[in-house]
Order: sequence, then structure tokens, then C-alpha cells
Amino acid sequence: KAGVTQTPRYLIKTRGQQVTLSCSPISGHRSVSWYQQTPGQGLQFLFEYFSETQRNKGNFPGRFSGRQFSNSRSEMNVSTLELGDSALYLCASSWAGLAANTGELFFGEGSRLTVL
Amino acid sequence: QQQVKQSPQSLIVQKGGISIINCAYENTAFDYFPWYQQFPGKGPALLIAIRPDVSEKKEGRFTISFNKSAKQFSLHIMDSQPGDSATYFCAASSSGNQFYFGTGTSLTVIP
Repeated sequence: KAGVTQTPRYLIKTRGQQVTLSCSPISGHRSVSWYQQTPGQGLQFLFEYFSETQRNKGNFPGRFSGRQFSNSRSEMNVSTLELGDSALYLCASSWAGLAANTGELFFGEGSRLTVL
Repeated sequence: QQQVKQSPQSLIVQKGGISIINCAYENTAFDYFPWYQQFPGKGPALLIAIRPDVSEKKEGRFTISFNKSAKQFSLHIMDSQPGDSATYFCAASSSGNQFYFGTGTSLTVIP
């Protein structure tokens, strides 16, 4: 069974640009959540989508947005990039969503974004 | 505000020794406490998890100890091996809400 796939794995952008990251969850999983990982801050929750609806949202500015498609694939977008947005962005999928509270989050390998 | 506080930030242990990582939380609504293990270049993977109705859970060499009154929980790795060298994250959540992760502990097991 294929795992969570994130693309691209690495990308470099400059301040002011925007970026779109993609996540394909494990087949059958309906929930996709996104996290930002930076040294010293751990994993910061961005948002969660379940059946194309955003159900939970973390404390990030409106420049960070996401969506989920009918096939459960998800994208996140960051507009007007800032230097501080440099991070590893992780996508996690689960079959039941955060509401099921099973802890069974399956993470992808992440998209490493560098903002110059 | 960090919902889950994790310590130490880094840990070096001799092969065969015991690795102990501690986490503390404030929100008494949390009812699920997983630990994730992350190797370089990989995403985190669920290692072991506990719910507050038990004080300890053991899976192989990995044990979670949970102290509800102190609002603390810890991961113990017995007989630590070089292959255990990774970053460990504790987390907490309450039903229907997001996971809050600790800041991570980088564990190095010296042969």
C-alpha cells in the first residue's frame, strides 16, 4: 500500500512569491492535515481537511490556505512568502480524521521550502 | 504558547542504556497522548500512544509512563540501540481537535 506522497520534495522561492504544495494521502484515507516543522518549534498544526471541508485550523496567518479535492488529495498554498516561512511542510493522512482521535496519523516525507 | 512542553532538547545515551524523554501539558481536556519517531529525511511515524485511563503502556523496549495528576508523561527506551537514534515528539489531543506536538528531542545512541 503506497504511503503519503508529497510533492515537490524541495523547492526554493524568493520573498513575495507564492507556493503550492501537494499531498496525496493513503488510499482510503479521507482526512489530510498539514504541519509546519521548524527547528526548535516542533510541528505546528496548520489545518485539517476531511471530505473536502476544513474542520480544524491552527494559528497561522491567512497567507496559509489549503483545499482538498474529491479524491482526498490536498494542496496547501502560501502567498507572499516571508523568510520565516522556510520550513519542512508535512502532510499527514488518516482514515477517520482527527475527530476519531485514534492517533493514527501517517506522515509523508515533507516538502522542504527555502525562502530567500 | 506551547501546549505541550518537551525535554530535553537533545539526549546522548550509551548503547544498552535507558533513554528518558519527558513531556508536560496543561489542558486537562487532552485525552490522547502519542509519541512519534522521526528519522532524518523521513516524516514522523507513530511509535506508541496512551490514554489517561492507564498509567503505563509498554510495547517491546518502549514504555510510556503517564501521571494524570501531575499532567506529565514520559517515554522510556530500554536497552537503547544505535538504530533508535532519531528525533522523538510527544503529542496531545482531545477528541475532535488538533494534535499539539512538543518541540522534539534529538536522541543519539552511542555504540
